[in-house]
Amino acid sequence: AQSVSQHNHHVILSEAASLELGCNYSYGGTVNLFWYVQYPGQHLQLLLKYFSGDPLVKGIKGFEAEFIKSKFSFNLRKPSVQWSDTAEYFCAARRSSGDKLTFGTGTRLAVRP
Amino acid sequence: DTGVSQNPRHKITKRGQNVTFRCDPISEHNRLYWYRQTLGQGPEFLTYFQNEAQLEKSRLLSDRFSAERPKGSFSTLEIQRTEQGDSAMYLCASSFDRLSYGYTFGSGTRLTVV
Repeated sequence: AQSVSQHNHHVILSEAASLELGCNYSYGGTVNLFWYVQYPGQHLQLLLKYFSGDPLVKGIKGFEAEFIKSKFSFNLRKPSVQWSDTAEYFCAARRSSGDKLTFGTGTRLAVRP
Repeated sequence: DTGVSQNPRHKITKRGQNVTFRCDPISEHNRLYWYRQTLGQGPEFLTYFQNEAQLEKSRLLSDRFSAERPKGSFSTLEIQRTEQGDSAMYLCASSFDRLSYGYTFGSGTRLTVV
């Protein structure tokens, strides 16, 4: 069955610390990968997506993610987090030929000022 | 363009009652999706439409659930004979096509069944 795993459920960092959130997927065939962010009280927003090409994807607000096919991973990174990055982060995947997104359980990030 | 709009934002209902939610997608988006999110979980796919055609339904969508998109614009999700397990956030998303864009999500309708 198709699945997406996020192993870090809660992460607490101080401002300026580096961030890496793990995401692994279990899919056969070619996949498209996404990271969404949900700020407190707001709707899900797309941070970045990977369809093909350069496996290092840059998104909004200084976030980037690296697609490593051999590890079935799509980890999210940011070199220096800010208090405003406090949010919940969701990794998602779909078959490249499909429409349905499968989400991970999310990682709740708290950044201490 | 005001994004994806969902109404109501909150709904409290008694067990056994029927409820209906509405989603207005971004006007030029032809794909519309419904997801459900419970506490501590990521959104789970329920169903999606391309224009007015319902193309896929999840096993999560029991026979008490029905979704429509009558004219390929707004969509409704109805839950009949609600149960406490139906309490969740119901999310709607839309997209123009599946290749170039991510999905734009609405703020959701939070259903509480008491």
